[in-house]
Amino acid sequence: DAGVIQSPRHEVTEMGQEVTLRCKPISGHDYLFWYRQTMMRGLELLIYFNNNVPIDDSGMPEDRFSAKMPNASFSTLKIQPSEPRDSAVYFCASSLNSNQPQHFGDGTRLSIL
Amino acid sequence: RKEVEQDPGPFNVPEGATVAFNCTYSNSASQSFFWYRQDCRKEPKLLMSVYSSGNEDGRFTAQLNRASQYISLLIRDSKLSDSATYLCVVTRGGSGDKLTFGTGTRLAVRP
Repeated sequence: DAGVIQSPRHEVTEMGQEVTLRCKPISGHDYLFWYRQTMMRGLELLIYFNNNVPIDDSGMPEDRFSAKMPNASFSTLKIQPSEPRDSAVYFCASSLNSNQPQHFGDGTRLSIL
Repeated sequence: RKEVEQDPGPFNVPEGATVAFNCTYSNSASQSFFWYRQDCRKEPKLLMSVYSSGNEDGRFTAQLNRASQYISLLIRDSKLSDSATYLCVVTRGGSGDKLTFGTGTRLAVRP
């Protein structure tokens, strides 16, 4: 079975550039989550969606970050303009409903130079 | 104060040892509790849920103390393959809801 699919796996770009991370959740899953993981802060929830609607974006660090879910099978996380402190691993996860475990994608390793 | 706190470790133990991790949480409204495992450069994966009555899954035992707001994970007869980071997770909802992760406790099992 296909799991959560994220792309790209790695991204290296210069500060100031726009970065777009992509996620395809498991088919049929109603919830989608975006996380960021760093050594210092651990795994932090940025935003999550239920049935394509953003429910809680309180974890989004700044206006430079935005996320969309135009349909049930696709979501993007954008950073514009990117800064070196945005360097982290970004995970996408999905769950069937609020009582079923989240399944994580392989993550995108982002490095901003 | 962080919502979920863990000792970062590392815990360095020999094969066959018993090791225990603790985790404290600050939000008394938390309803569900989990341990996740994360291998180096991999995604987190659910290890087990934690119930008030305590629960066991093979060599792993999880305990919850609501009064003191802490969660524990005990690993018996450690294997080399247990080497990983163990993440304590709490939520006010269910396992598929908004989760709050601890920063993790690193375990290294040596031959």
